Amino acid sequence: DVKVTQSSRYLVKRTGEKVFLECVQDMDHENMFWYRQDPGLGLRLIYFSYDVKMKEKGDIPEGYSVSREKKERFSLILESASTNQTSMYLCASRSYYRMNTEAFFGQGTRLTVV
Amino acid sequence: SQQGEEDPQALSIQEGENATMNCSYKTSINNLQWYRQNSGRGLVHLILIRSNEREKHSGRLRVTLDTSKKSSSLLITASRAADTASYFCATDAYEGSARQLTFGSGTQLTVLP
Repeated sequence: DVKVTQSSRYLVKRTGEKVFLECVQDMDHENMFWYRQDPGLGLRLIYFSYDVKMKEKGDIPEGYSVSREKKERFSLILESASTNQTSMYLCASRSYYRMNTEAFFGQGTRLTVV
Repeated sequence: SQQGEEDPQALSIQEGENATMNCSYKTSINNLQWYRQNSGRGLVHLILIRSNEREKHSGRLRVTLDTSKKSSSLLITASRAADTASYFCATDAYEGSARQLTFGSGTQLTVLP
């Protein structure tokens, strides 16, 4: 059974903390994505990566960075957490070379910044 | 970036009825996908329809695609209480260095027993 695993279901962090959200996939996918989901706004793309050490900004990269040192792992970093980063964070992976394929999602991390 | 927009935002029906959700998008696509999300969980892929297809079935799901109108619909027949979830369309356009899926804001479906 294919899997995308996010390190935490729930996180509570303090304003100003550095926060790491980890995502691991076991499907040897080239593409990995971090989305943020807020009520009424759907899924918004923060960053994505199409290869090890490669990254590109999505629609809302401000306040975030990412790291991809290994193909299976994609980390989202909040350099200095703020209350407006309280949200549900979803990681996904997908094959780059196989056409017309779906994305596989992790279970989500609900982050609360207090 | 382009985005699928679902309509309606919320839908409440009785068990056994059919549920129809619509999605509109703005630019050319290679395929369109529908996903389901149970409350507080990740998204699960339901069905994919390619740009050269007009209709596709999978169990109780029927998806149509009209590329001239840039719209798609998802029909769930004989709904069950377990179908209660949020449903998202996602457009797939091969752009730039990676292939992104762009999601809409979703339809919240409630199926009443």
